[in-house]
Amino acid sequence: AQSVTQLGSHVSVSEGALVLLRCNYSSSVPPYLFWYVQYPNQGLQLLLKYTTGATLVKGINGFEAEFKKSETSFHLTKPSAHMSDAAEYFCAVIPSGGSYIPTFGRGTSLIVHP
Amino acid sequence: DSGVTQTPKHLITATGQRVTLRCSPRSGDLSVYWYQQSLDQGLQFLIQYYNGEERAKGNILERFSAQQFPDLHSELNLSSLELGDSALYFCASSVGPSNYGYTFGSGTRLTVV
Repeated sequence: AQSVTQLGSHVSVSEGALVLLRCNYSSSVPPYLFWYVQYPNQGLQLLLKYTTGATLVKGINGFEAEFKKSETSFHLTKPSAHMSDAAEYFCAVIPSGGSYIPTFGRGTSLIVHP
Repeated sequence: DSGVTQTPKHLITATGQRVTLRCSPRSGDLSVYWYQQSLDQGLQFLIQYYNGEERAKGNILERFSAQQFPDLHSELNLSSLELGDSALYFCASSVGPSNYGYTFGSGTRLTVV
């Protein structure tokens, strides 16, 4: 069974600093990978996804993630944090060729300081 | 507004009671998914319906049941409620039965007292 590990339940950065949210997965087959964002009192919103092709994926709001098969990772980055980026971020994985239901990580809360 | 509508937004009820949560999917979406989000369990998949039929089942308790109606809205029924059932319940929808990436509603916060 696949699992998703998000390192750090909380990440704190200053406005303008690099954002790096870590996600590692375990899957017996090449997976499909996702990042979702959840703002307070809202549902999850898809930020970006990797299914096939280019391993560097660009998403909304300036975020991007890179699929590294050798490291079984799919870390989320943004060059410069904005106050509006403060939210909960979830990594999710679907093993290709299997069930289409994703397994979600426990989430990382991004805190942005002025 | 994501297009997925969940009602009610908040619900407070007593242990042993039964509640019904409602979800209207985004226009054109045939698939509905239910998730439970709690601090200790994270985001857990409960059940999926596609065009009225149960498609996939996750960690759904026997006390919980769901259905999808001909107009494609879905209801999640929770019975014999326990304190541990307090959580955020999300509905999500997608066009087909096997889509990558869903649209989530804003959730129903259930508090069992």
